[in-house]
Amino acid sequence: QSALTQPASVSGSPGQSITISCTGTSSDVGGYNYVSWYQQHPGKAPKLIIYGVSRRPSGISNRFSGSKSGNTASLTISGLQGEDEADYYCISYTSSVTLVFGGGTKLTVL
Amino acid sequence: QVQLVQSGSELKEPGASVKVSCKASGYTFNRNEMNWVRQAPGQGLEWMGWISTTTGNPANAQGFTGRFVFSLDISGRTAYLEIFNLKAEDTAVYYCVRGLDSADGPGIDYWGQGTLVTVSS
Repeated sequence: QSALTQPASVSGSPGQSITISCTGTSSDVGGYNYVSWYQQHPGKAPKLIIYGVSRRPSGISNRFSGSKSGNTASLTISGLQGEDEADYYCISYTSSVTLVFGGGTKLTVL
Repeated sequence: QVQLVQSGSELKEPGASVKVSCKASGYTFNRNEMNWVRQAPGQGLEWMGWISTTTGNPANAQGFTGRFVFSLDISGRTAYLEIFNLKAEDTAVYYCVRGLDSADGPGIDYWGQGTLVTVSS
């Protein structure tokens, strides 16, 4: 199972919005509404911020939102803040009854 | 609250074995699968597989078969990852991660703090 494709890096200024894409195939992202997103700060464990494509766990800011179109899922962060600077990973369920991660995206807040 | 507490860092020689533990609290242990994720230094996340906390059946991802064994102590609410015949390329942080509640579909939510396994002579 190949890793999902994410941009290596994205950047934005405080207050702006950014979107991170996560592209797979019809056997994973496109075939199921089981895409999650994680935020990882340096030296820390990842934290779930979106599951089921667009659902936010309790306690996660509504500045984080998720969507999907075809084989590509997207994470949008609005009103960028300095604390949002981190690595972001997507994950999807697959037709092989496995999970597969994206390669990760480094978000820089300028 | 849900907590997954992992065992401490390990330094092992090539060819040795290591067993990482993950003790769960704050939820009913056998309602959620337990997953394992690897992160090599400076690299991304890799899903290694999961183990059912109801049947004890493991499912290893491609690339993590043979030397990688998942197990459970259900009464002790603890999951284990054992790696045999360690190689330098096994050097990584290993995370245990709880599976989502079944009603939410396949996925993973709460993460342990990670265990650094270093393989070096």
